[in-house]
Amino acid sequence: QVQLVQSGAEVKKPGSSVKVSCKASGGTFSSYAVSWVRQAPGQGLEWMGGTTRSGTPKIAQKFQGRVTFTADESTTAASMELSRLRSDDTAVYFCARSHLGDLSDPARLWGQGTLVIVSS
Amino acid sequence: SYVLTQPPSVSVAPGKTARITCGGNNIGSKSVHWYQQRPGQAPVLVIYYDRDRPSGIPERFSGSNSGNTATLTISGVEAGDEADYYCHVWDSSGDHWVLGGGTKLTVL
Repeated sequence: QVQLVQSGAEVKKPGSSVKVSCKASGGTFSSYAVSWVRQAPGQGLEWMGGTTRSGTPKIAQKFQGRVTFTADESTTAASMELSRLRSDDTAVYFCARSHLGDLSDPARLWGQGTLVIVSS
Repeated sequence: SYVLTQPPSVSVAPGKTARITCGGNNIGSKSVHWYQQRPGQAPVLVIYYDRDRPSGIPERFSGSNSGNTATLTISGVEAGDEADYYCHVWDSSGDHWVLGGGTKLTVL
């Protein structure tokens, strides 16, 4: 059974960058879109964007210029890099694989989440 | 931009029926998906394309969507259903996800 396994928790300084990885264990991201969703402490879910099945990125307006989404050639791993971190970027970051191949599809499979703490 | 509105909380006694609404302008013209998120866990898809259930989701979970309101219905509520529930649509005008603010379901 396919699982999405994310990298471990990170503590970062304001102004720095963080990269979160997401590996498909027992499967791949081929033919699927990958979304990234974050959740600040005690808050709801927030979509950051993602990559289509062809690897084309789509970034939510709020994160334009600060986030990069990548997928490796084997399509067993994806990553999200967020730069110029601020304290309000403190959140749990989730990767999610789409039900089908488009970002418009629901997220059928989720990673376990990665806690990123931004603190001086 | 498109906005989805959910009640912050819904309470229901065990064995009863819980209905969680998701309001949006002409939401009936969109496909609505629902996620369940238990404390400290990742979200789980429980309903997709308005009324379909992924494998492994109990038949107690059902969905409907018409007009300006989509509804997630949980019949025979159990203690284990206590969680936050989020509705989700795709906003084709902006090419992005839209998520509701979430509803906390409390089982009394």
